[in-house]
Amino acid sequence: LAKTTQPISMDSYEGQEVNITCSHNNIATNDYITWYQQFPSQGPRFIIQGYKTKVTNEVASLFIPADRKSSTLSLPRVSLSDTAVYYCLVGDIRGSTLGRLYFGRGTQLTVWP
Amino acid sequence: EADIYQTPRYLVIGTGKKITLECSQTMGHDKMYWYQQDPGMELHLIHYSYGVNSTEKGDLSSESTVSRIRTEHFPLTLESARPSHTSQYLCASSPGGGSGANVLTFGAGSRLTVL
Repeated sequence: LAKTTQPISMDSYEGQEVNITCSHNNIATNDYITWYQQFPSQGPRFIIQGYKTKVTNEVASLFIPADRKSSTLSLPRVSLSDTAVYYCLVGDIRGSTLGRLYFGRGTQLTVWP
Repeated sequence: EADIYQTPRYLVIGTGKKITLECSQTMGHDKMYWYQQDPGMELHLIHYSYGVNSTEKGDLSSESTVSRIRTEHFPLTLESARPSHTSQYLCASSPGGGSGANVLTFGAGSRLTVL
C-alpha cells in the first residue's frame, strides 16, 4: 500500500497561490492520486484526482510529473476559508476487494488576512 | 446536501453501555467505510465493506463490530463502551468500480464521549 509524505503545515496569505507537494515514491502503475480537504469537526471532502500530467477543476489544479513519484496540489488565490487540513492519497481500489485508502497526517494550511 | 448521513452527531454515555452509530447513504455505493479520528490526528480505517454481507477489519484494531445487511446501511456497534473509545467516528462510501472508487464521500461524523 503506497504511502505519502507531505509537509505537516504551511502558511499563506489571502490572495496568494498555494502549492502543496506530496511524495509517493512507491506509487504503483494502477494507482490514482487523490486529494481531500478537511475542516475541523467535519469529514474529509474530495477536491481533485489525477493519474498523470495535469488536472484542473473549479477548485484546484493537480500537477503530476512523468515519473508520478510526486504530485502538487495548487490552490489559486486562497482565502481564509481555505484554512484546513489537506490529505494526499494514492491507491487503486477500483473493483478491488482490498478497499482501503491510507490517510496520513495531512498538511495543515493556515491562511492569514 | 448530504448524501451520507450519520447519527447521532454527538453522544455522551457512561462506561459499559452498548451503542450503535448509524450510517446511511443514498448514492447506491457498493463500498462503505468507518474511520476513527482523534483531534489533530490522522484517520484510521477500522472497518470496511465492499457490498452486502461483506465486512472486513481495517488497519486499526477496534473492539467495534459492523454489519451490512442493506446496501445503504452500515451501522457500527460497541457492545461495552469504555473511555478509550472516546473519539470521532467517520463513515464514508464510494462506488464499487471505475476511477470514482477512490473518491470517498464522508458523513459529518459522530463524536463519541465515554465517561
